[in-house]
Amino acid sequence: GAGVSQSPSNKVTEKGKDVELRCDPISGHTALYWYRQSLGQGLEFLIYFQGNSAPDKSGLPSDRFSAERTGGSVSTLTIQRTQQEDSAVYLCASTASWVETQYFGPGTRLLVL
Amino acid sequence: EDQVTQSPEALRLQEGESSSLNCSYTVSGLRGLFWYRQDPGKGPEFLFTLYSAGEEKEKERLKATLTKKESFLHITAPKPEDSATYLCAVQAETGANSKLTFGKGITLSVRP
Repeated sequence: GAGVSQSPSNKVTEKGKDVELRCDPISGHTALYWYRQSLGQGLEFLIYFQGNSAPDKSGLPSDRFSAERTGGSVSTLTIQRTQQEDSAVYLCASTASWVETQYFGPGTRLLVL
Repeated sequence: EDQVTQSPEALRLQEGESSSLNCSYTVSGLRGLFWYRQDPGKGPEFLFTLYSAGEEKEKERLKATLTKKESFLHITAPKPEDSATYLCAVQAETGANSKLTFGKGITLSVRP
């Protein structure tokens, strides 16, 4: 079946611009996660959605970062007023429930000039 | 705070030369330890989940083991196609979310 998909694959933007990154989870998966992978660093948790519950935003690095999940499916991660330190690979993962394996998408490679 | 340390950072092997990758962890109650493989420009690909000390899982040339403090990913007679970055992550029993805490990964290169 189809896996997790993310778009765009690559995004180049100028410092100060806003960007939106999209994640389409595996059909039927109720839990969705966003992680960030910076050069030389491990994956860093950003935000977690589970069903209709309020999202866990504890990993968001600043108030410039926000995310939403519409209809319990597609999620969008928005970064406002991008900074060069936001350059990274943004990965989305989904799972059928929190006790199940997280399956990752291919990521969006963001470069802020 | 949960922590994962992987060693070595990079490993170069000759084809057929078996070795092991180490993942040391501290976590407030382990629900699961996960191994993923990541190829350049791709997202992590799931390999194994281990839940309790003494557990072992195998897939082709890979075997993952778990103790109370660390996990090993043993690679037997590796082939060039095994070249990738191997990621280890832990999930805690407690906490409001089920996030994974990752190590920085081990980059494996297998020469033909």
